[in-house]
Amino acid sequence: GQQLNQSPQSMFIQEGEDVSMNCTSSSIFNTWLWYKQDPGEGPVLLIALYKAGELTSNGRLTAQFGITRKDSFLNISASIPSDVGIYFCAGLPHAGGTSYGKLTFGQGTILTVHP
Amino acid sequence: SQTIHQWPATLVQPVGSPLSLECTVEGTSNPNLYWYRQAAGRGLQLLFYSVGIGQISSEVPQNLSASRPQDRQFILSSKKLLLSDSGFYLCAWSLGQGNTFGSGTRLTVV
Repeated sequence: GQQLNQSPQSMFIQEGEDVSMNCTSSSIFNTWLWYKQDPGEGPVLLIALYKAGELTSNGRLTAQFGITRKDSFLNISASIPSDVGIYFCAGLPHAGGTSYGKLTFGQGTILTVHP
Repeated sequence: SQTIHQWPATLVQPVGSPLSLECTVEGTSNPNLYWYRQAAGRGLQLLFYSVGIGQISSEVPQNLSASRPQDRQFILSSKKLLLSDSGFYLCAWSLGQGNTFGSGTRLTVV
């Protein structure tokens, strides 16, 4: 089946540094999503991307939908301690239809921010 | 606005005991519903999804089952738990785009 390769697996950074993570796939996706999961909680949607080449920001977060539709990246600028958590990319292969909204997830990037 | 409720938050069950986790969604109609399992705080594995009442699709062979007795209710069950069933279980809903997740149930089988 389809898989998403997410990297890096973990990051240890100092407060104030910028962060970059990405996901790649061998298949085309019509939607890319980025989630953040705090310990003991469910993932929360950060940014959704629906068009190839789309660049979207949400506060200090910026994400892009790759032109080839096979990759996406997430940047976090000026990291703060509350950015700690696991970040997941997810892709939706079709716009509705027989995909039934089933997402393919990356394995996650564990982010640690040192004050 | 839509909300999703999942309970209990934590559960410790002995091997061989039954399981029932419940998830309900409010503020939407005919959502797609999903059960995921997450091991060791990493990747999410889709266990079941449902596109309507009584319609359940299983993604992986396992010791668990799911049911959808009402439009906005999704239940995850087991007749006899195994140690390997331990994990973090997440319910989610969707209307075709991104999934919205519940707060999860931490299940420990002892």
